[in-house]
Amino acid sequence: GESVGLHLPTLSVQEGDNSIINCAYSNSASDYFIWYKQESGKGPQFIIDIRSNMDKRQGQRVTVLLNKTVKHLSLQIAATQPGDSAVYFCAEKRPGGADGLTFGKGTHLIIQP
Amino acid sequence: SQTIHQWPATLVQPVGSPLSLECTVEGTSNPNLYWYRQAAGRGLQLLFYSVGIGQISSEVPQNLSASRPQDRQFILSSKKLLLSDSGFYLCAWSVLPNTEAFFGQGTRLTVV
Repeated sequence: GESVGLHLPTLSVQEGDNSIINCAYSNSASDYFIWYKQESGKGPQFIIDIRSNMDKRQGQRVTVLLNKTVKHLSLQIAATQPGDSAVYFCAEKRPGGADGLTFGKGTHLIIQP
Repeated sequence: SQTIHQWPATLVQPVGSPLSLECTVEGTSNPNLYWYRQAAGRGLQLLFYSVGIGQISSEVPQNLSASRPQDRQFILSSKKLLLSDSGFYLCAWSVLPNTEAFFGQGTRLTVV
């Protein structure tokens, strides 16, 4: 989900379990969504994207679900591994106005051994 | 394959000094280019974007400026840095506005 203030929400999961990271977006007219993974001190890395004419898309070990009714986006990571530990950001492309992506505040995924 | 280079990786500058961060993209032509800033514990804020040489759009009023002197070069500048300019600056490119953006490794700027 989204955080208020300076602290990122944190999700702690056991290695091997599935992770679900949630994101609420604000603009009902947004037509393109992306999940990024950012490791400490590095730039965001593209994971998976989805367009508004879809409600589900699967990649390798990851699935993105889009619920346009409630403006909710989720990222599911199967069989979480230590290398999945990072901050995950959702981003939306809003129609019109500015080019570029609008990012959520991120969720810190911590993998417990 | 396409690559994006951003430098320097870290930078410590005194208040009032100038700034120049450079970003170049290889392996593609006429990319859309972006500068984002990320404050600690926060998401990314779009600062500038460019759809072509000499074409710069600014998203937020600020102490920074951007230029695109060549198709695959994007520069972030300031004449006089403020303490509030500290942050993690990220350059990105995309093929089209509604496709994924690929990010550089970022520059950690600390203004002291």
